[in-house]
Amino acid sequence: NAGVMQNPRHLVRRRGQEARLRCSPMKGHSHVYWYRQLPEEGLKFMVYLQKENIIDESGMPKERFSAEFPKEGPSILRIQQVVRGDSAAYFCASSSHLEYDEQFFGPGTRLTVL
Amino acid sequence: EDKVVQSPLSLVVHEGDTVTLNCSYEVTNFRSLLWYKQEKKAPTFLFMLTSSGIEKKSGRLSSILDKKELFSILNITATQTGDSAVYLCAVDGKGKLVFGKGMKLTVNP
Repeated sequence: NAGVMQNPRHLVRRRGQEARLRCSPMKGHSHVYWYRQLPEEGLKFMVYLQKENIIDESGMPKERFSAEFPKEGPSILRIQQVVRGDSAAYFCASSSHLEYDEQFFGPGTRLTVL
Repeated sequence: EDKVVQSPLSLVVHEGDTVTLNCSYEVTNFRSLLWYKQEKKAPTFLFMLTSSGIEKKSGRLSSILDKKELFSILNITATQTGDSAVYLCAVDGKGKLVFGKGMKLTVNP
């Protein structure tokens, strides 16, 4: 029973490049959440998705960041034209469709922007 | 703005000690409060609390929620070096989790 999968685990990009982070939820889970953890900071909510729908993107920067969770395949968090301030650990979590179900986290992708 | 505050932010104890971690919150649309343990990787789920006054236990760990005073505590008894980690408190505000900064616990042998 695989948990939440994220890849890559580590990603290095130069300023101006694009970063694509992937997340496969736990089997049977249809809700996906993305969080960002900056050094010495707590986790900050970015976006909440269900299949083919963005439910809440209130934590997502308005520019350069986008997320999707297509009908088939993993959820993707995309960061265009990365800057040094985007360096962080990006965690994905998933939950079932039940209203009070807990979120389970993946191992995270550590993005380093040179 | 939704807020979760944890205290203390760090704690160093000896094996066998008992520790109490505090979490207070101000969140609209409260659904539940969750505790996670983070050891340099993915946060691992410990407890989810939805009702006041009902203690949840798992081995040496226990937690309780007070929805009137808006806080929760996490207790760890007979601490072991393997308990060393960052403990995260989060509140579910209709889907999105609002996290505290975490409490770094170090258990020395």
